[in-house]
Amino acid sequence: SQTIHQWPATLVQPVGSPLSLECTVEGTSNPNLYWYRQAAGRGLQLLFYSVGIGQISSEVPQNLSASRPQDRQFILSSKKLLLSDSGFYLCAYPTLRGTEAFFGQGTRLTVV
Amino acid sequence: GQQVMQIPQYQHVQEGEDFTTYCNSSTTLSNIQWYKQRPGGHPVFLIQLVKSGEVKKQKRLTFQFGEAKKNSSLHITATQTTDVGTYFCAGGGGYNKLIFGAGTRLAVHP
Repeated sequence: SQTIHQWPATLVQPVGSPLSLECTVEGTSNPNLYWYRQAAGRGLQLLFYSVGIGQISSEVPQNLSASRPQDRQFILSSKKLLLSDSGFYLCAYPTLRGTEAFFGQGTRLTVV
Repeated sequence: GQQVMQIPQYQHVQEGEDFTTYCNSSTTLSNIQWYKQRPGGHPVFLIQLVKSGEVKKQKRLTFQFGEAKKNSSLHITATQTTDVGTYFCAGGGGYNKLIFGAGTRLAVHP
């Protein structure tokens, strides 16, 4: 079965510190992978998507970057966090049917 | 770019009352999906609508896709406290991307 792992679950980081969030998937190969961010009480904003290793598309200009070093691994990074980077970060991929998105448990990031 | 708008942003109802959230897209959608996010949780897929004018039901939930495939609604009959959460609609973009609405947060008072 398909599973998606995200860690850590919660993170508190000071302004200006680096960030690395990891997402790994199992039970599927060559999936499209996505990073979404949800600000407190807000909707889901698509940040990045990847259709394969080394292929990253950014949806909005921001302080973040993404990488896909392996087929089943998607990493979200920042060199210097801003207060506005706080939020709930969710990794997702389409299910085997290729339709709906299956989300990881998410990482709740607070920048202080 | 494609935008998906959702209203209302927030609604609170008494348990047993009905609830409806509406979704509108700036462009014609190939499909519309609905997700539910419980407080503190991640979004979970509920249903997908594909055909113009399609109506689907899941127990007390009724989902509709407009004739022009640019709007959709989710109606909950006789809400229960277990219905609490945020309901999102999402329209398909390219590369299987989903563009989410801002969500409607539902509070149910017993």
